[in-house]
Amino acid sequence: KAGVTQTPRYLIKTRGQQVTLSCSPISGHRSVSWYQQTPGQGLQFLFEYFSETQRNKGNFPGRFSGRQFSNSRSEMNVSTLELGDSALYLCASSSSAVDTEAFFGQGTRLTVV
Amino acid sequence: GQSLEQPSEVTAVEGAIVQINCTYQTSGFYGLSWYQQHDGGAPTFLSYNALDGLEETGRFSSFLSRSDSYGYLLLQELQMKDSASYFCAVRDGDDKIIFGKGTRLHILP
Repeated sequence: KAGVTQTPRYLIKTRGQQVTLSCSPISGHRSVSWYQQTPGQGLQFLFEYFSETQRNKGNFPGRFSGRQFSNSRSEMNVSTLELGDSALYLCASSSSAVDTEAFFGQGTRLTVV
Repeated sequence: GQSLEQPSEVTAVEGAIVQINCTYQTSGFYGLSWYQQHDGGAPTFLSYNALDGLEETGRFSSFLSRSDSYGYLLLQELQMKDSASYFCAVRDGDDKIIFGKGTRLHILP
């Protein structure tokens, strides 16, 4: 079956702009979680969605938001971009909210200039 | 605060055995997962321990001691393709997912 698909793969934005990233989970998976990965901080949890409901949110400012649609596809949005938002954004899907195994997409590499 | 600690780098020789440790400090605990990530690639799931003891999957094994808040990933018969970063991860008592900063494994021929 197809894996987790993230679009776009690469993105360059200017400070102050906003961006929307998309994630299509594995078919049948209802849980989607998002992470920010930077060389210095590793993988940091952004939020988790299950059946269109946000189950949890990490310690990121309100500029970071997300949602999940009825087909389990998820989007995350970052508004008023800052240089420090440059990172690899990874999405992972699981079959349930308490699943022990997550499948990651290839990520979206966001560069803010 | 909540944290997972793992060594930043480990070096081993091809064919040898290496252990990557992870200690955690979280409010509540469900289980410990391990992921592998090659440069430029996505993290891939390796193992999960919810109970104390050793879980073996081929050349990889993972161990957990809940009383010591400690786990490790054991890689045997190291191959050059095992050169990657390895992350431990915990779903804590608040149901949030926390990752360690990763251990870069270097393998020498």
